[in-house]
Amino acid sequence: GDSVTQTEGPVTLSEGTSLTVNCSYETKQYPTLFWYVQYPGEGPQLLFKVPKANEKGSNRGFEATYNKEATSFHLQKASVQESDSAVYYCALSTLMGYKLTFGTGTSLLVDP
Amino acid sequence: DMKVTQMPRYLIKRMGENVLLECGQDMSHETMYWYRQDPGLGLQLIYISYDVDSNSEGDIPKGYRVSRKKREHFSLILDSAKTNQTSVYFCASSPGNNNQAPLFGEGTRLSVL
Repeated sequence: GDSVTQTEGPVTLSEGTSLTVNCSYETKQYPTLFWYVQYPGEGPQLLFKVPKANEKGSNRGFEATYNKEATSFHLQKASVQESDSAVYYCALSTLMGYKLTFGTGTSLLVDP
Repeated sequence: DMKVTQMPRYLIKRMGENVLLECGQDMSHETMYWYRQDPGLGLQLIYISYDVDSNSEGDIPKGYRVSRKKREHFSLILDSAKTNQTSVYFCASSPGNNNQAPLFGEGTRLSVL
């Protein structure tokens, strides 16, 4: 079946430093890739999606490139803020049943 | 306003009791999901529904069943709840193609004592 592997947390950074959360995936289908963010007490919410290989998605300063050859979709941000503290999930879906498969999540804490 | 609504938000039950978690959406989305979230495991798919009375098992369906009699409403049922079903449950919906990101509700925190 499909699987997603991402950086284990927690990750602690100082405000203004850069962030990379690694994500790799396995599927026999052609996937759409997503990054979700979850704040305490809330449900996951879409950060952005990338449906096509070798394209980049971005939102709120976060970005990730869908690398089909490397089967990777790493999340990056050049300068994190305290408000970015949250749990980040990499996910994929395929045409086989529209099932959304999540990684285990990466908790980010940004110190002011 | 596009929203997925889950009820109740918090629930405490005793082992062996029946549990009903309810989910509604106002977007006429075809596809709906139930996930559970546990520390270190992320979000795991319990069931997926493609429309009324068209449900399919996810990765961890054991101990759960679902009901979808109206497109806008999807229920998760635990018959004789177990303590290992203590978790946070999330419902989500999407228009029904893999390009659309599912929209999640705020979750139901269930404790089975």
